[in-house]
Order: sequence, then C-alpha cells, then structure tokens
Amino acid sequence: NAGVTQTPKFQVLKTGQSMTLQCAQDMNHEYMSWYRQDPGMGLRLIHYSVGAGITDQGEVPNGYNVSRSTTEDFPLRLLSAAPSQTSVYFCASSLTGVVTQYFGPGTRLLVL
Amino acid sequence: RKEVEQDPGPFNVPEGATVAFNCTYSNSASQSFFWYRQDCRKEPKLLMSVYSSGNEDGRFTAQLNRASQYISLLIRDSKLSDSATYLCVVSGSNYKLTFGKGTLLTVNP
Repeated sequence: NAGVTQTPKFQVLKTGQSMTLQCAQDMNHEYMSWYRQDPGMGLRLIHYSVGAGITDQGEVPNGYNVSRSTTEDFPLRLLSAAPSQTSVYFCASSLTGVVTQYFGPGTRLLVL
Repeated sequence: RKEVEQDPGPFNVPEGATVAFNCTYSNSASQSFFWYRQDCRKEPKLLMSVYSSGNEDGRFTAQLNRASQYISLLIRDSKLSDSATYLCVVSGSNYKLTFGKGTLLTVNP
C-alpha cells in the first residue's frame, strides 16, 4: 500500500514548456485534489475531483488542467509554464472531502 | 479578512514548555476543523480533528469556539520532535479545505 505517490519529485521547466505532474493513490479514495504551496501563502487548492469523470476548479485554477479517467489517477497539466507557477505541488486524496486527507510527498517545480 | 488566520510565529520554546497556537476563521458556515503538521520540506499530515467539545490526544489539546470562530492547539511538555509548522485547516459543506499559512514551532534543547 503506497498511499499517494507523485512524480516527478523535482522538475525544472523553461517558460512556455508543458508538462504533466502525476498523482496516484491506491486507497480507492473518491476525492482527490491538487494544491500549490508558496512561501507565505499557505496551501491553495488548484483543482479537485469527487470521483472518476468529475473535476472542478479550486481557488487558483488558471494555467492548470486536470482530468480523472480512473479512481486511482489525477494528473495535473501545465499547458504553458510561467515563472509564477514555480511552487511546490501537493496531491491529496480522501474517502470524502472532509475527513483525513492524505498528501503525497510533493513535486518541486521551478520555471525559468 | 483572510479566511483562516493563524499566529504568524515563529515560536521558539525550550523542551518541556507548553505552547499554544491560535487560529480564527471567517466563514461561519464552516463545518470541519483540523490541525495539520508539516515538517520541513515534507507533506502535511493530519495531527488531529477539532470538535466543539474539545479533544485531547496525549500532549495535544484542541479547542473550537464556534461563536468566536476560533480554534486553538495546546502542546504540553514540548519535545524536540514537535518542531514543525502547524497548519490550521477549515472545511465547509463543499469538502474543500482552506489552510492557514501555518505557524513554525522550534523546540530547543
């Protein structure tokens, strides 16, 4: 039981490049979400999903796309990276959206 | 007013000290309340949920005052291993979590 896994751990991108941050969980959780954490800002919700095929926007969705084709996976896509997207990205999952959310180890992204 | 506000910290305390963190939230419709702990360069982990009646887990006590929209966390007999950032987290009926910015605690030998 690996819990929530994220890949890659670190990534450096150039402005305008695209990439996908991977998130997977093996706990059969319906609810999954993506957060970004910036110094002095706390964690902010980017997108979330309450089940396969259902996604919705969080607090800071601009510049990011998500899809949820399976219960296990919830990838986050950056279509055209910008320096403002330099951050630490955390994926989380839970059985519902309220009880304990289990976080992945994070992806540190630097956009030059 | 920010949705979730915490003591800015940082807190530096000696081992064995008692330390209290405070948090206020702006949405009176908030339904669930938590304290998370985040170690340096690690992911947040649930420390404890917070209930209106107050709850305790070993050296940790959490309190909720819905009328004042105030949450607290008390740590007694601080250990070196308690050094971390403590995040106040609030959720409404839509299951979304709103995080405070966190308060850094350093426990010194």
